[in-house]
Amino acid sequence: RKEVEQDPGPFNVPEGATVAFNCTYSNSASQSFFWYRQDCRKEPKLLMSVYSSGNEDGRFTAQLNRASQYISLLIRDSKLSDSATYLCVVYPILTGGGNKLTFGTGTQLKVEL
Amino acid sequence: DGGITQSPKYLFRKEGQNVTLSCEQNLNHDAMYWYRQDPGQGLRLIYYSQIVNDFQKGDIAEGYSVSREKKESFPLTVTSAQKNPTAFYLCASTDILGAEAFFGQGTRLTVV
Repeated sequence: RKEVEQDPGPFNVPEGATVAFNCTYSNSASQSFFWYRQDCRKEPKLLMSVYSSGNEDGRFTAQLNRASQYISLLIRDSKLSDSATYLCVVYPILTGGGNKLTFGTGTQLKVEL
Repeated sequence: DGGITQSPKYLFRKEGQNVTLSCEQNLNHDAMYWYRQDPGQGLRLIYYSQIVNDFQKGDIAEGYSVSREKKESFPLTVTSAQKNPTAFYLCASTDILGAEAFFGQGTRLTVV
């Protein structure tokens, strides 16, 4: 089982739609969770951190479910400019060292007119 | 301004040549990472380092080597043993507690 799994998509949605992505992780010791956005041929950039209590930033809402080991990203009123690949990132705290950032493969979103 | 810088942005290599990709950060971050991304694919971890003079292999370390002689620098050498090196290479850094990762702008390596 992959450490971090995402549905690769692509998700094609009309402008104004609400879209949700999920990301599952296998290491229950994971401590930090993030969503990154990557535009074509560019480096990933932080979209938002994910906290146990959930957090919202404008049209974006991130949730963490530790019991089921998944995080989610909800985008409301999607815009053309939201078209990108969304990467889930997990930072586990491992015993014996060896902590490392682990990325999901990304979910591609295409927002259409 | 603090940040992470990769160079060069584009690199062309002849088959059989070793090349070194530069990654420098002035964020005072302890941890640094190298990832490879192929078209339409996710990021795959090559090597990472959590402290000076120490580094660990990631998922696809074969054909690559790194060094971490200074906290600010984490160069990646793509050796001739890497059979398919054409890809987009990304360097990242975080503080040791795993907060936000900062990325360089990437190096696009092409074998000619």
